Amino acid sequence: DAGVTQSPTHLIKTRGQHVTLRCSPISGHKSVSWYQQVLGQGPQFIFQYYEKEERGRGNFPDRFSARQFPNYSSELNVNALLLGDSALYLCASSLVGSISGANVLTFGAGSRLTVL
Amino acid sequence: GEDVEQSLFLSVREGDSSVINCTYTDSSSTYLYWYKQEPGAGLQLLTYIFSNMDMKQDQRLTVLLNKKDKHLSLRIADTQTGDSAIYFCAESPFYGNNRLAFGKGNQVVVIP
Repeated sequence: DAGVTQSPTHLIKTRGQHVTLRCSPISGHKSVSWYQQVLGQGPQFIFQYYEKEERGRGNFPDRFSARQFPNYSSELNVNALLLGDSALYLCASSLVGSISGANVLTFGAGSRLTVL
Repeated sequence: GEDVEQSLFLSVREGDSSVINCTYTDSSSTYLYWYKQEPGAGLQLLTYIFSNMDMKQDQRLTVLLNKKDKHLSLRIADTQTGDSAIYFCAESPFYGNNRLAFGKGNQVVVIP
């Protein structure tokens, strides 16, 4: 079975540009979360989507947006890129979005964004 | 709020045990996790512990939780070269939510 797949794996943008990152969850997983991992740091939560609705948002500016599609895949969009947006963007999927249990997330390998 | 702290670097000889420590601040955390990240890869969930437990063992991994001190540790027995990676602890401060708060990570280097 395929795990969480993300595309592109690497990309380079310049300041002010826009980027779209894509994520396909594990088959049957209805929840997708996005995390930003700056070099040398732990991942920081950006968004969670469940059944196409936003269920949580981290402390990120409005330049960051996301959506989830009927097939549960997701896109993360970042507008007006800044140098500080350079990071590894990780997508994680889980079986359910809000239950009384451990949040077992399966992560993809990430999309490495470099902003010049 | 969430604030997870970890030490940065650990060197260990193959076959020895390694212990990685983590402290957290949010006493409402329900689950605490250990993730492993190898170079160029995403995060792999190793194990997790529910906050009403104080120990969990899973093969070579032992997790200890001290809720009073908000201290979490991961012990890896018989450390192998394949254990070389960065290890992150994380907490779920929001019940039933996928918002995990991660520490900065602890790099473990296993010397053959």
